[in-house]
Amino acid sequence: AQSVAQPEDQVNVAEGNPLTVKCTYSVSGNPYLFWYVQYPNRGLQFLLKYITGDNLVKGSYGFEAEFNKSQTSFHLKKPSALVSDSALYFCAVRDIWGGATNKLIFGTGTLLAVQP
Amino acid sequence: DAGVIQSPRHEVTEMGQEVTLRCKPISGHDYLFWYRQTMMRGLELLIYFNNNVPIDDSGMPEDRFSAKMPNASFSTLKIQPSEPRDSAVYFCASSFRDSGADTQYFGPGTRLTVL
Repeated sequence: AQSVAQPEDQVNVAEGNPLTVKCTYSVSGNPYLFWYVQYPNRGLQFLLKYITGDNLVKGSYGFEAEFNKSQTSFHLKKPSALVSDSALYFCAVRDIWGGATNKLIFGTGTLLAVQP
Repeated sequence: DAGVIQSPRHEVTEMGQEVTLRCKPISGHDYLFWYRQTMMRGLELLIYFNNNVPIDDSGMPEDRFSAKMPNASFSTLKIQPSEPRDSAVYFCASSFRDSGADTQYFGPGTRLTVL
C-alpha cells in the first residue's frame, strides 16, 4: 500500500536559517508526491507537487522539495526561514490502488516553529 | 474564484442531535472529499465523490455518518445522532482531474463540538 512517513513531530529553526521538513514514502510504481501547509484555524493549502522530471520542485512561498528515489524521500526545504512559515506541514502521496483515483494519503504532519 | 466554501464554520450541539455540514466545491471540479481532523487521529479521509457519485466511503466511521452530493455544486455530511467523540474539524476539499497528479483545494473547515 502507498504510504508516507514524517519522522519529526516538530522542527524548530531560527529565523534566517535554512529549514528542512522530512518525508519518506513507500509506493508501488512511480510516486506522485505533495506538500501541503496548514496555518492555524485554516484549511490545508497546496505548496508543491512532484510528478516526474526534475528532482528539485519549486513551490509557493519560496519552498522547494527534493525528490530522491534511492532514499525514497521527498524533503521540504527553504533556504531562509521566516517566522510566518510557522505552521503544520503535511506530506502526501497519491493512492493509485483501485484504479485511477485522486485520493491522497497524508502523513501525520510536522509542526514547524520558527523562532525570531 | 471563491474557493471551497463550507458552512457553518463553527457548530456546537448536544449529544444525540443531528448535525449537517455543508460544502460547495470549486466550480468545474469533479472530485469532492470529506476529511476529519483531530489531535489524536490526525487527518482522516471519510469519503470522496467523483462526478457526484460516492467512490470510496471506507473511512466513514459508522452508520451514524452519511454523505450526499445531489449535484456538482453541493455536498452534505450528516451525523445522526452525534456523539462527543465526533468533535473535530471537518474539511471539504475538491479537485479536478488534470494531467495525472491532482491538487486538492481545501475549504476553511467546520469546527464541530458535541457536548
